Amino acid sequence: GQNIDQPTEMTATEGAIVQINCTYQTSGFNGLFWYQQHAGEAPTFLSYNVLDGLEEKGRFSSFLSRSKGYSYLLLKELQMKDSASYLCAVRDSNYQLIWGAGTKLIIKP
Amino acid sequence: ETGVTQTPRHLVMGMTNKKSLKCEQHLGHNAMYWYKQSAKKPLELMFVYNFKEQTENNSVPSRFSPECPNSSHLFLHLHTLQPEDSALYLCASSQGQDSSYEQYFGPGTRLTVT
Repeated sequence: GQNIDQPTEMTATEGAIVQINCTYQTSGFNGLFWYQQHAGEAPTFLSYNVLDGLEEKGRFSSFLSRSKGYSYLLLKELQMKDSASYLCAVRDSNYQLIWGAGTKLIIKP
Repeated sequence: ETGVTQTPRHLVMGMTNKKSLKCEQHLGHNAMYWYKQSAKKPLELMFVYNFKEQTENNSVPSRFSPECPNSSHLFLHLHTLQPEDSALYLCASSQGQDSSYEQYFGPGTRLTVT
């Protein structure tokens, strides 16, 4: 079966750095997405990786290793507004998005 | 209105009621999706429409019935639901179904079945 694993919850301190991991087992691979979802709101797109390596976008970076079935989202200079759930999703060989259950990130002052 | 809108935002219905959820996208996208989001579970894809044609139905019970009259509007008709159908129902759209196109989500309808 297809599976996306990510930690259920993480806690970090304002101003620090946090890395949220995602491992996947899917039938085929056509890209990996990270989304942010604040409580009670819609998920919003953060990043897309299809080739191995690091994609940087301001305070957020996303890394992909296709051979290891692994990605991480790196958040730097954490702010209180970064408290949210972070969803990892992989597009499989049928171009369907397979979603992880999300990682709830709690930022403490 | 911009982006993806959904109405109503909250809905409480009995098991014998019939109701409809509405989604509208103002982005000129060609693909639209219905998802179910339950607490601490992955997003469950329910239906996909591409250029108004249904391309995916992920074994969704027949008490959920989608309708896509045009590429900007998507409905989810509900009847004789069960309490376990209580969840957040999210609509999304994308330029197409190709690999790099991200999905844009609406704010969701919080559904409670009593």
